[in-house]
Formats: sequence, C-alpha cells, structure tokens
Amino acid sequence: DGGITQSPKYLFRKEGQNVTLSCEQNLNHDAMYWYRQDPGQGLRLIYYSQIVNDFQKGDIAEGYSVSREKKESFPLTVTSAQKNPTAFYLCASSHWWVQPQHFGDGTRLSIL
Amino acid sequence: DAKTTQPNSMESNEEEPVHLPCNHSTISGTDYIHWYRQLPSQGPEYVIHGLTSNVNNRMASLAIAEDRKSSTLILHRATLRDAAVYYCILRRVFGNEKLTFGTGTRLTIIP
Repeated sequence: DGGITQSPKYLFRKEGQNVTLSCEQNLNHDAMYWYRQDPGQGLRLIYYSQIVNDFQKGDIAEGYSVSREKKESFPLTVTSAQKNPTAFYLCASSHWWVQPQHFGDGTRLSIL
Repeated sequence: DAKTTQPNSMESNEEEPVHLPCNHSTISGTDYIHWYRQLPSQGPEYVIHGLTSNVNNRMASLAIAEDRKSSTLILHRATLRDAAVYYCILRRVFGNEKLTFGTGTRLTIIP
C-alpha cells in the first residue's frame, strides 16, 4: 500500500544533541512538508519542499534543518539550537502544493 | 491566510448524523475549503474539500453556503471511529503551500 512512513515513533534527545527524524513516501508525490504539533494545539509548518534539492522555511524553522536529496525522502534534523523540541512531529506529502496532503503517523520527541 | 472559526467541541450519538459548522467570513474567491480530521496520536487525515458546490465522498458531505462565508461537514451516520478533532482549513489555489490549522472541533461520539 502507498503511504508515508515516519520513524521512529518515539524519540528521546539529550541536551545538546542533534536528532534526525525520518520521513519516506512511496506515493510519488512532489511536495513534502514537516509540521510540529504541541499539546492541544494545531499544526505549525516547519519546512516544506516542492521538488528535489529545493526547500523553503515555514513559520517556525529556527533550530531545524532538512534535506531533499531524493523525491521519496525528506528527513528533519532537530538541532541543539532548538531549545524546546518536545512535540509531536508530522510529515506530509502531496502531488503538488494545491492538492490534499497525506500525513504520516508522527514521531513524538521528548527531552531526557 | 483567511481565518476559520469552529466550535471547540461537539457531541453526537452513535448512528446519528453529525453537522460540524465552520465560519469563514473573510474567504476569498480563490480559497478552497478543506476538512481534515485527526484521531488521537495519529496524523491528520484528509476528509473532503470544495470550492462552491456541495461535495460528497465516501467519508462525508460538504455543504457550502451560497455566499461561501460558512460551510458544514456532514457525517451521515456517526460511528465511534469518527471521534476525532476536525479541522476546517482554507487553502488558496495559488501561492499557498501550507495548511494553517487552528484548534479544530473535538467530536465526541456517545455510544
């Protein structure tokens, strides 16, 4: 079945450590997105990419980095510069930016 | 982005229809109305979208007011699996890459 796979489901980060969240899709979608969700809140856009080797900052990009070397992959790195990284991270993709987005099941990141 | 307003929570009995309202009085002519829902500890799931005419799919129906300043998501026969947070989102056809999620409506289904 086609879909979006996020891994790991749970992740723990130590102070000063960078961690990378994986997002893979086999839907042949052009656009991919990363969102952050805090408890009881809606989603906020971190980064998005419309084509390979290109990406743009969203509303809350500080402390995060991404790459898009392959169409099916869009990993997110939470750097040590992100002082409040505890959140639920969601990856999404769409055929083009105007189409409905398909979401993965998320990665829950916590600080040790 | 144009803003949407939804009730914080709603309850409905199982096997009855549910009407989830959304107000979007500042909608522009190129804004599509999208609905997503999010089950606990999962990513959002696309439900339906429309521009001017009412829309139906296997999950739900979308009724859009004639002046487009409000819309209603209709679940024809609610089941316990429909308990989720429902988000009403406006998405411009051109130049708007992101979905702006508010806090949505938390729907509780009563057995």
